Amino acid sequence: GAGVSQSPSNKVTEKGKDVELRCDPISGHTALYWYRQRLGQGLEFLIYFQGNSAPDKSGLPSDRFSAERTGESVSTLTIQRTQQEDSAVYLCASSTQHRPGEKLFFGSGTQLSVL
Amino acid sequence: KNEVEQSPQNLTAQEGEFITINCSYSVGISALHWLQQHPGGGIVSLFMLSSGKKKHGRLIATINIQEKHSSLHITASHPRDSAVYICAAIQGAQKLVFGQGTRLTINP
Repeated sequence: GAGVSQSPSNKVTEKGKDVELRCDPISGHTALYWYRQRLGQGLEFLIYFQGNSAPDKSGLPSDRFSAERTGESVSTLTIQRTQQEDSAVYLCASSTQHRPGEKLFFGSGTQLSVL
Repeated sequence: KNEVEQSPQNLTAQEGEFITINCSYSVGISALHWLQQHPGGGIVSLFMLSSGKKKHGRLIATINIQEKHSSLHITASHPRDSAVYICAAIQGAQKLVFGQGTRLTINP
């Protein structure tokens, strides 16, 4: 596709349920990032994938959060046993390579609401 | 204290004014992004720079690595520039540390 695609755009779930969020990066982009933005707060880094290298998971807030990416394609972010504090917009971004001059391209995000 | 601090947090100006948004960071970085988040939530990457200055249209970004400071300037501001502007410092190879954002409102 022409841009970074995320699905679903909105997800409402009950506390304790698992959710899976999907990100389709721009074709050819080796770098993929997940971020979240809680209401009224700034962006928060979650995880970074670069090609076939081991991902940087240092931003994941708890072991309930995990993410997978196969090669340079789709990534899924899974949140197990969701809590109300997980409610946020989850944003995905991709770039060709993380070096000066390479811009990030963001998806439109998934609005997650945990009731 | 946040590792990346932006100022001001909110800025309101009249159309045509010269705008400056500042970003200071306390960590070692390899480069820095300036991002624009529109009222609808969409985020656009404006610049990624590691030294000196970059210009794109009415937008100018500068960075001083020694002083750990970056600025985003908007010349001849327009109401369509109204958005939240976010700086994000790149630590190490890839980890991004975000500022809290500056909400800019340009009145006609």
